Amino acid sequence: QKEVEQDPGPLSVPEGAIVSLNCTYSNSAFQYFMWYRQYSRKGPELLMYTYSSGNKEDGRFTAQVDKSSKYISLFIRDSQPSDSATYLCAMSYRRSNYQLIWGAGTKLIIKP
Amino acid sequence: DVKVTQSSRYLVKRTGEKVFLECVQDMDHENMFWYRQDPGLGLRLIYFSYDVKMKEKGDIPEGYSVSREKKERFSLILESASTNQTSMYLCASSLSGRANNEQFFGPGTRLTVL
Repeated sequence: QKEVEQDPGPLSVPEGAIVSLNCTYSNSAFQYFMWYRQYSRKGPELLMYTYSSGNKEDGRFTAQVDKSSKYISLFIRDSQPSDSATYLCAMSYRRSNYQLIWGAGTKLIIKP
Repeated sequence: DVKVTQSSRYLVKRTGEKVFLECVQDMDHENMFWYRQDPGLGLRLIYFSYDVKMKEKGDIPEGYSVSREKKERFSLILESASTNQTSMYLCASSLSGRANNEQFFGPGTRLTVL
């Protein structure tokens, strides 16, 4: 079993829809949770970062962590075609630990 | 803006060839990483380096070696390329001590081994 599971998709939704992307993990020691976005033919870039449980909001994006269920989510409101990308979750055990554990990535397609 | 550059976007090599992939970052980051990315498998860490001349094996180091002679440059070497090393190779760098562990990625090198 992988430490981090993520549905590869593709997930196709109409423009304006609310998108929910998810990862589950097996190791309760993870404390730091990240979402990266990767456009086609580019490297990933950090989108959201959260520590421990709770929610974090940044514009149309909300990251949610439920440590009791070992489940993290990224919500995108009012989705736009420019949000079409692969979204990867990543986790680490401790602050400034440079080794990240990655999900496989979910390919998201927003249809105009 | 942090910039991570990789020497080639696309590379085609033959089985048994020695392959060099170069990565350069311009933000004085201590940490540098080499990943490979394959469909359904996500990012898998090959090697990382936390200082000049220092290196640590990642999850899949077999068939690869690395070199870091200068802080800004991290090279990945395929000693004898094989077809199962056909993949997208991503280089990344990060600053030590940052709470969010943010890694900055290059655009990737798509390597095909024939």
